[in-house]
Amino acid sequence: DTAVSQTPKYLVTQMGNDKSIKCEQNLGHDTMYWYKQDSKKFLKIMFSYNNKELIINETVPNRFSPKSPDKAHLNLHINSLELGDSAVYFCASSQGWDRGFFEKLFFGSGTQLSVL
Amino acid sequence: GENVEQHPSTLSVQEGDSAVIKCTYSDSASNYFPWYKQELGKGPQLIIDIRSNVGEKKDQRIAVTLNKTAKHFSLHITETQPEDSAVYFCAARTGGGADGLTFGKGTHLIIQP
Repeated sequence: DTAVSQTPKYLVTQMGNDKSIKCEQNLGHDTMYWYKQDSKKFLKIMFSYNNKELIINETVPNRFSPKSPDKAHLNLHINSLELGDSAVYFCASSQGWDRGFFEKLFFGSGTQLSVL
Repeated sequence: GENVEQHPSTLSVQEGDSAVIKCTYSDSASNYFPWYKQELGKGPQLIIDIRSNVGEKKDQRIAVTLNKTAKHFSLHITETQPEDSAVYFCAARTGGGADGLTFGKGTHLIIQP
């Protein structure tokens, strides 16, 4: 059973298109995140949600819009894709800070986005 | 904000030898320091973590040490094995809430047979 699953694993698209990446966790966690990993492997947080509420919104272009329909899902929609958006996007979850375990992140296997 | 520096970027060791990866952080308020291992094509996976009230933690062949005064922490892997080959990330977290983690830039560990 996959704890944090994201789809698709690979996404190849043209500049200017709009695409979405879906993420689901079956761990019962309260907090979910999106991280971006660039070609040099640098991992940087983009967003975090706690119980469907946006907590962190780093300096990410507003072409990126996260959506959390419920606390088990956090999707990422990207409008007007640019070449520089090419990266691996990781979804992650953690248990939630009110129980003191929120630091332990569980990552999905990533979505390799290639913008041509 | 927090800044985490990680060294070296690449580390090659003979199988059976020890490997040490070092990280420094900038924010003295940081209180949680995990290490993640990322294998090719997979997401990072937590291997060990340490809180700021502890100086050292060990789990079988893996240990982490923390020096709060110097603001640095290290990962030690003993008796390295081929399956230890991966990219290792250190990270730090400041404050509470769903702040997420600030990651170092990663170390590619290569275990030579």
